[in-house]
Amino acid sequence: EADIYQTPRYLVIGTGKKITLECSQTMGHDKMYWYQQDPGMELHLIHYSYGVNSTEKGDLSSESTVSRIRTEHFPLTLESARPSHTSQYLCASSDSTGSHYNEQFFGPGTRLTVL
Amino acid sequence: KNQVEQSPQSLIILEGKNCTLQCNYTVSPFSNLRWYKQDTGRGPVSLTIMTFSENTKSNGRYTATLDADTKQSSLHITASQLSDSASYICVVIRMDSSYKLIFGSGTRLLVRP
Repeated sequence: EADIYQTPRYLVIGTGKKITLECSQTMGHDKMYWYQQDPGMELHLIHYSYGVNSTEKGDLSSESTVSRIRTEHFPLTLESARPSHTSQYLCASSDSTGSHYNEQFFGPGTRLTVL
Repeated sequence: KNQVEQSPQSLIILEGKNCTLQCNYTVSPFSNLRWYKQDTGRGPVSLTIMTFSENTKSNGRYTATLDADTKQSSLHITASQLSDSASYICVVIRMDSSYKLIFGSGTRLLVRP
């Protein structure tokens, strides 16, 4: 069982609001990721981090921002939510060492609905 | 065109029956291939991981095969259970400095009693 947590699990919010999706892991993994997934579609990487103070944009352009001040914490922020941001957001983490190199463990996801 | 294509898109089977899901990929260079199970509203959970040199791997009632020459993989589920109802996602990892995961769009499996 992977120890990676996301809050909130569900969020319904109005247009223009600022939101932060929380992600934390207790496995000491150095790498963390944010994916966006629309219903019935594949996951798309929007942000990743290879360690503290390291953040990079993923393949899918996103208006969200991330920060990595602590190893275990990788929050995602939307300054002004829009209906086009409605989606499921999945956080994942992985370890660079060991036999399962780069195997990513996923959190339960946050389903965001922007009205 | 997605570099990882899965078929069928959806599948309905009766409890106790077997089924096989397909994955074709064009990702190159290839590092390894994984099958994930994703329950509705949850994050994906890894079922199997196969490297270039492996052509079959089992995890309980799940058996994955890999043909690296034809770039095809399959996931066989034996004696299906209602709890097998989920999306099954094929993921191919590119062998470069990024070790990027390339996701298929998944096969949605429904097991009926």
